[in-house]
Amino acid sequence: AQSVTQLGSHVSVSEGALVLLRCNYSSSVPPYLFWYVQYPNQGLQLLLKYTSAATLVKGINGFEAEFKKSETSFHLTKPSAHMSDAAEYFCAVSGDTGRRALTFGSGTRLQVQP
Amino acid sequence: GAGVSQSPSNKVTEKGKDVELRCDPISGHTALYWYRQSLGQGLEFLIYFQGNSAPDKSGLPSDRFSAERTGGSVSTLTIQRTQQEDSAVYLCASSPRTGGVTNEKLFFGSGTQLSVL
Repeated sequence: AQSVTQLGSHVSVSEGALVLLRCNYSSSVPPYLFWYVQYPNQGLQLLLKYTSAATLVKGINGFEAEFKKSETSFHLTKPSAHMSDAAEYFCAVSGDTGRRALTFGSGTRLQVQP
Repeated sequence: GAGVSQSPSNKVTEKGKDVELRCDPISGHTALYWYRQSLGQGLEFLIYFQGNSAPDKSGLPSDRFSAERTGGSVSTLTIQRTQQEDSAVYLCASSPRTGGVTNEKLFFGSGTQLSVL
């Protein structure tokens, strides 16, 4: 079985501050991990993915995530928040061969204050 | 169109009625997924179609939910005898599935907001 836990349903940062969105996973097999972003009034889109190559993955819009097997984590970071980063972010895992679809976390809504 | 198209964008229905939600995936995408997004609940997997294989229905919450995919393209999600707890945004996604899960990239539609009164 596989699951994803996102700590913090809402995160608020100031513009220019560090963004840290937390994701912990559980998987019975080596996982593939993803971050998706949903901007207001738009569909979800892929931000970045980890597929067992480099543990530090860079995505679009300056975001990156680091896979840490010992901590079963895949936290999303960005050094300096921009107003346009305000959105809902979803962590997802795939790796259980019994379930082909991605298993998503409950999401974290990021607010960026001016 | 270039993206995944879902219709209707909004659906209001009365408890007990049946509803049909439609998804037009990106042309050529062999994989199609239905998810449900409830307020504060994240995305809940419902059903997955891949080519001509039998669909993975393991996420359907009850036998009131069913889905079909005709000709490997358009999919319809049907909810019979709707209940208030069915109110949610129903999202469809498609994927080319050309290289297995390592290359998995889902392209999502904008969803159908279902409200059951």
